[in-house]
Amino acid sequence: QQPVQSPQAVILREGEDAVINCSSSKALYSVHWYRQKHGEAPVFLMILLKGGEQKGHEKISASFNEKKQQSSLYLTASQLSYSGTYFCGTEEGNTGKLIFGQGTTLQVKP
Amino acid sequence: DAGVIQSPRHEVTEMGQEVTLRCKPISGHDYLFWYRQTMMRGLELLIYFNNNVPIDDSGMPEDRFSAKMPNASFSTLKIQPSEPRDSAVYFCASIRTLFTGELFFGEGSRLTVL
Repeated sequence: QQPVQSPQAVILREGEDAVINCSSSKALYSVHWYRQKHGEAPVFLMILLKGGEQKGHEKISASFNEKKQQSSLYLTASQLSYSGTYFCGTEEGNTGKLIFGQGTTLQVKP
Repeated sequence: DAGVIQSPRHEVTEMGQEVTLRCKPISGHDYLFWYRQTMMRGLELLIYFNNNVPIDDSGMPEDRFSAKMPNASFSTLKIQPSEPRDSAVYFCASIRTLFTGELFFGEGSRLTVL
C-alpha cells in the first residue's frame, strides 16, 4: 500500500521552514526519508522505527507517530541545496519491503 | 568502496526487443532491490532479493519482466518483449542487512522504448 505524501509541491524562499507529511492506511514498522535531485538517484536522509521517535539531521528532522501511522519531515531555515523531491518510504513489518510515496517537490528560491 | 553499479546508463530500443539491465551491488550487501521510476507512478518496487533469493516479486508488472541474481555480485532485470509503456528509469539498490539504515541506490538505467 503506497503511502500518501502532502503537499505535492512546495516553493520556499531561503530561510523559510517547511513540513512534509507522510501517512499510511496500514500499521508501520518503519519510515524512511530520501531526497532526490533532478537526474540523480535518491539519497538517504534518515530512518525512524516504531516507538514514536524523532530524529534530526542538521536542520532537517523528522517524527514518527505509529499510532496515527504518520511521519513528518521538518526542514528548518531552508537552503538552496534543499531543493529536490522528497520521498517517504514505509515498511509494514520487518521485511525489508520498502514502498515509496509519490514524492513532494521542494523548490527553494533565493 | 565502489557504490552500486548499473549498466547501461541509457538504453533506446524498439518495441518488441529484449532489454537486459544489469546491477552490481555493494560488496557485502545481503539485499538487492529493483525499482522503477516514472512521473505517473513514482518509485515502484519491482522485486527484491536476500542472499540471491527472490523474496517478493509482487511488484513485477507482467510476465514480460523477469529478474535473476545468480550470485552475490550480479543481478539482471530482463524485459521481453519490451513495450513503450516500459519506458522509465530503473534503479537498483542494495543494503547490508535488513534496514540498519541507508538503502544505496545506483545511478539508474534510463530506458526508452520506441
